[in-house]
Amino acid sequence: GENVEQHPSTLSVQEGDSAVIKCTYSDSASNYFPWYKQELGKRPQLIIDIRSNVGEKKDQRIAVTLNKTAKHFSLHITETQPEDSAVYFCAASKAKLVFGTGTRLLVSP
Amino acid sequence: KAGVTQTPRYLIKTRGQQVTLSCSPISGHRSVSWYQQTPGQGLQFLFEYFSETQRNKGNFPGRFSGRQFSNSRSEMNVSTLELGDSALYLCASSLDPTDQPQHFGDGTRLSIL
Repeated sequence: GENVEQHPSTLSVQEGDSAVIKCTYSDSASNYFPWYKQELGKRPQLIIDIRSNVGEKKDQRIAVTLNKTAKHFSLHITETQPEDSAVYFCAASKAKLVFGTGTRLLVSP
Repeated sequence: KAGVTQTPRYLIKTRGQQVTLSCSPISGHRSVSWYQQTPGQGLQFLFEYFSETQRNKGNFPGRFSGRQFSNSRSEMNVSTLELGDSALYLCASSLDPTDQPQHFGDGTRLSIL
């Protein structure tokens, strides 16, 4: 079945820096790749997603890139702010969502 | 529009008991998926329901079951509870299985004593 690896497990940056989280997936038939942000004690929230027919998608300070050949996709956050601190999960889906293990992002003021 | 509603928010049970969790999807959403979240295993897919039919199932034992009603509300049941079943159970809904954006509820935190 599908397997999703996510790196790094923790990421510390200074406010204003960029942050990049990378994921690889195993099933080349996966066609949908969402990213979720989960703050402590709260629900995972969808922040951006991309489909397999698109290479890049942006939404303000957040962007996601997809390389189908290499089977990896990345989340890019620019101009990070303390409120970006949370756990971020990537996921890949063919028929069901398979999640990565999460990245704890800490943005220091 | 109200979000995904899960009840109860917290539950404490003892080993061997059974439990039923409820999920009301966003109005108009017909697909409901359930996930188990634990510190050690992360977010793991349990099952997905659409039009009262289970479409997909994850790698969980038969003690975990679910159903969906005609109004799209869903329940999951865990029988013969084990200590390892302690987790946050999350429900997510989407318009249908092909409209992939899934929106999560706040979850039910289940603790087994």
